[in-house]
Amino acid sequence: NAGVTQTPKFQVLKTGQSMTLQCAQDMNHNSMYWYRQDPGMGLRLIYYSASEGTTDKGEVPNGYNVSRLNKREFSLRLESAAPSQTSVYFCASNAYGTGGGYNSPLHFGNGTRLTVT
Amino acid sequence: SQQGEEDPQALSIQEGENATMNCSYKTSINNLQWYRQNSGRGLVHLILIRSNEREKHSGRLRVTLDTSKKSSSLLITASRAADTASYFCALKAAGNKLTFGGGTRVLVKP
Repeated sequence: NAGVTQTPKFQVLKTGQSMTLQCAQDMNHNSMYWYRQDPGMGLRLIYYSASEGTTDKGEVPNGYNVSRLNKREFSLRLESAAPSQTSVYFCASNAYGTGGGYNSPLHFGNGTRLTVT
Repeated sequence: SQQGEEDPQALSIQEGENATMNCSYKTSINNLQWYRQNSGRGLVHLILIRSNEREKHSGRLRVTLDTSKKSSSLLITASRAADTASYFCALKAAGNKLTFGGGTRVLVKP
């Protein structure tokens, strides 16, 4: 099983360029998440999708948009990249159990390392 | 939203020794989760402990939770070089939020 697959692994953008980060999971999970990881700040939630057809803002959604394309795929789009968006981006998924989405462990991809110059 | 605070920020031990790291928090939680991150990789789930549980084991890992002190500890026994990684606690509080701490970097020297 591949688990959670993210593409690309690395990307360099110039300020103002746009790009889409792709994420796919093969575990039949209902919920999917996008996090960013910055040094000394842990992981911060950008957007999540509790189930196919729904998306919600997380802690740091400004400058991003998401699309839950189907149950397997959840993409993150930067419309006009800024240097402050230089980060490592992680996609995660889990089975949405009773009591809410965080009662079961998250499964993470290996990340996309994005640099905006 | 609250964030767990891991202590220490970094830890260096010899292979075979035990490693202990702590996570403290400020408000009530539903569960607390520990994750490991190897360099350049995504996070891997280790243990989830619910607020009504006090201790859980998984192989060489032991997690305790003291809700009265609002703290949790992760113990790695008989450490190996492969345990070199960053370890994160994540808190699930009311409102279905999961917040991650800044992590503890563990170096196991051969």
